[in-house]
Amino acid sequence: QKEVEQNSGPLSVPEGAIASLNCTYSDRGSQSFFWYRQYSGKSPELIMSIYSNGDKEDGRFTAQLNKASQYVSLLIRDSQPSDSATYLCAVTRGGNTGTASKLTFGTGTRLQVTL
Amino acid sequence: DVKVTQSSRYLVKRTGEKVFLECVQDMDHENMFWYRQDPGLGLRLIYFSYDVKMKEKGDIPEGYSVSREKKERFSLILESASTNQTSMYLCASSSTAWGGRTNADTQYFGPGTRLTVL
Repeated sequence: QKEVEQNSGPLSVPEGAIASLNCTYSDRGSQSFFWYRQYSGKSPELIMSIYSNGDKEDGRFTAQLNKASQYVSLLIRDSQPSDSATYLCAVTRGGNTGTASKLTFGTGTRLQVTL
Repeated sequence: DVKVTQSSRYLVKRTGEKVFLECVQDMDHENMFWYRQDPGLGLRLIYFSYDVKMKEKGDIPEGYSVSREKKERFSLILESASTNQTSMYLCASSSTAWGGRTNADTQYFGPGTRLTVL
């Protein structure tokens, strides 16, 4: 079982629709959760971070975390063609003790927003 | 804004060459990381550093070494480049402190270096 699992996609949604991206993780010690967006040939760019159960909204983006189910999701409302990218889920590794918090990344979900 | 820069966007080297990749961050972050990213494998941690002159192995350190002589600079060294080290190399930095301009744990990435070893 992968430590962070994402459906590779592509997930295709029409412009203006809601895109729902999902991620499950196996490390119950994970405390911090991140969504990064990565355009082809570019580096990952932070979209959202979430640390406690529930929803966190930032503009068109909503991150949802359920630690009991070990599940984190990203909703993109009013999807735009410019949202077409690969979305990476990342979680901190449980057991980080004083040294740098390492992240484990999923392999990403490719989102295509169609006109 | 957080700024992480990498010395080259594209690099072509020959098998057996010694390769240096440099990363500089301007956020006074304690932590710096080197990853490689390959299709289907995602980001894999090579090495990280939590303080000047301090380093720890990541998940795939074989064939690589690192150096951190100054807080803002973290170098990745390929002692003898091989074709299986052809990849996109990404540097990131993070803070250990909460509050301020960035939160702890959040990693900020440089633009990446696409290395081809022939």
